[in-house]
Amino acid sequence: GENVEQHPSTLSVQEGDSAVIKCTYSDSASNYFPWYKQELGKGPQLIIDIRSNVGEKKDQRIAVTLNKTAKHFSLHITETQPEDSAVYFCAASPANQAGTALIFGKGTTLSVSS
Amino acid sequence: DTAVSQTPKYLVTQMGNDKSIKCEQNLGHDTMYWYKQDSKKFLKIMFSYNNKELIINETVPNRFSPKSPDKAHLNLHINSLELGDSAVYFCASSQGTGVIDEQFFGPGTRLTVL
Repeated sequence: GENVEQHPSTLSVQEGDSAVIKCTYSDSASNYFPWYKQELGKGPQLIIDIRSNVGEKKDQRIAVTLNKTAKHFSLHITETQPEDSAVYFCAASPANQAGTALIFGKGTTLSVSS
Repeated sequence: DTAVSQTPKYLVTQMGNDKSIKCEQNLGHDTMYWYKQDSKKFLKIMFSYNNKELIINETVPNRFSPKSPDKAHLNLHINSLELGDSAVYFCASSQGTGVIDEQFFGPGTRLTVL
């Protein structure tokens, strides 16, 4: 089955700096890679996702890159702000039928200090 | 409007008891999921349902029984609760097209077994 590794487990940056979180996956059938942000006491919230036919996607300060050959994908947050502090999860899914599960990485706790 | 809602938000109970967690989505989605988040924040799929039919049943003890009375609801019943069942349980839903479905998570139910 799919296995997703996520690094680093914790990341501390100064406000305005960039933050990068990296994930690798094992199943070449995976074709959907979402990123979730989880704030304390809340459920995971989808912030960006990328499909396997795309190498990069950007949404304002957030960007995701995908390298299918190397089976890794990354989240880039630029101009970080204190409200970006949260736990971020990457996930992978073959998404080949309804009800396919997301396989999550173990999360990265991002702390942005002002 | 709450897209995916869960009740209760907190559940404290004694070992050996039976309890239920309810989930409702108002997104018109066909697929619903239960994920478990342990004390280390690792998120893992438990079940998924599509059009009220069980799709995924991971290696979860049979003390856990999901029930989907209709497409908008997926409840989780747990018998003979054990200390190790303490976790946060998240319900999620997706459109269910089987192509690439974004999953939307509820706010979670924190279960504490004493």
